[in-house]
Amino acid sequence: SQQGEEDPQALSIQEGENATMNCSYKTSINNLQWYRQNSGRGLVHLILIRSNEREKHSGRLRVTLDTSKKSSSLLITASRAADTASYFCAALRTGYALNFGKGTSLLVTP
Amino acid sequence: DVKVTQSSRYLVKRTGEKVFLECVQDMDHENMFWYRQDPGLGLRLIYFSYDVKMKEKGDIPEGYSVSREKKERFSLILESASTNQTSMYLCASTSAGLPSSYNEQFFGPGTRLTVL
Repeated sequence: SQQGEEDPQALSIQEGENATMNCSYKTSINNLQWYRQNSGRGLVHLILIRSNEREKHSGRLRVTLDTSKKSSSLLITASRAADTASYFCAALRTGYALNFGKGTSLLVTP
Repeated sequence: DVKVTQSSRYLVKRTGEKVFLECVQDMDHENMFWYRQDPGLGLRLIYFSYDVKMKEKGDIPEGYSVSREKKERFSLILESASTNQTSMYLCASTSAGLPSSYNEQFFGPGTRLTVL
């Protein structure tokens, strides 16, 4: 069962611009996580925001969470070509597994 | 440096073959997971395990089985491979604890399986 749904499906920007990706989920959560996947590789954890938090920062990443709207956003500031990847939101489910969305494909061009 | 390794990056098998995908983690994690990833469908949970010899079905267990004989190793078995099991298979692990303190999952590099 898919928990998260990312929006947009694909995003193309130039280096230096900001990239914003959104995620909506269906049921209540303990936390929401964002992962990055470089082409054909495994996923790498970026940031986690707990259900009692509204905003969190990590380097050039900023995540917000609105539990009333069941939505989250990931902002990458001053994008670089190396940020080109797919980005997934994920919500915890029973057994410590995660429900992933389908992802946003980000392309950052020089 | 923590690590999850998978036995193969690329694998080509024939329909009807029995296929073993191996995953090993060196972080002493209790929980291990197998996902498959397909274009347009995202990641879907096949099976997970929260302890040695324990296993739980995920969302799409049909056609798969798993084995966890040792804490660090979690194997995914395709009993009789079919073409619709052509996919990217991702293994992950995480430590146990309260959901409120839950942290990240660590992923292996993935195995791209093609069934002909």
